Amino acid sequence: GQQLNQSPQSMFIQEGEDVSMNCTSSSIFNTWLWYKQEPGEGPVLLIALYKAGELTSNGRLTAQFGITRKDSFLNISASIPSDVGIYFCAGQGNQGGKLIFGQGTELSVKP
Amino acid sequence: SAVISQKPSRDICQRGTSLTIQCQVDSQVTMMFWYRQQPGQSLTLIATANQGSEATYESGFVIDKFPISRPNLTFSTLTVSNMSPEDSSIYLCSARSGGYEQYFGPGTRLTVT
Repeated sequence: GQQLNQSPQSMFIQEGEDVSMNCTSSSIFNTWLWYKQEPGEGPVLLIALYKAGELTSNGRLTAQFGITRKDSFLNISASIPSDVGIYFCAGQGNQGGKLIFGQGTELSVKP
Repeated sequence: SAVISQKPSRDICQRGTSLTIQCQVDSQVTMMFWYRQQPGQSLTLIATANQGSEATYESGFVIDKFPISRPNLTFSTLTVSNMSPEDSSIYLCSARSGGYEQYFGPGTRLTVT
């Protein structure tokens, strides 16, 4: 079945630094979604990507749909303490419309 | 977007009992899903809740253990039956409306003793 590899697994950064994380797949996806989950909460949708090569921003967040349709990355610029949480990528392929989730990237920001 | 609420937000249950989790969406949605998330882990799809018909279960999940109802386009329930400590987890309701954007509820934190 389809699998997503998300990296890095965790990041410890200083406030103000930029952050980059990515997801890769062995198969093609038609949609990529990026979520953030804070402790005690459900995942919150940050960015949705629908076309290969698409670059979309949401404030300090920027995500791209890879040209090969097998990868996506998320950048956070000028990180702040409230960026702390677990970021998940999710891809949707051709079959059944199910979302496939990455393992998550846990982000810690030191003030 | 869709705003999703779940009840209860958390519960502590004894083994052998059952718990029903309710999910309410603030607008009509085409698809509803139930996920399980173990502590520190990613999300695992349990089933797709189909309106007016039996849910579609993923491999490893069965209807006798996780019966699901979806009587209309805004509401669904998940029951965790005959619970054991291994069922301790976060259970998340999710919904998709029309397009590909999928939204999640706040989750139900279940502890089985």
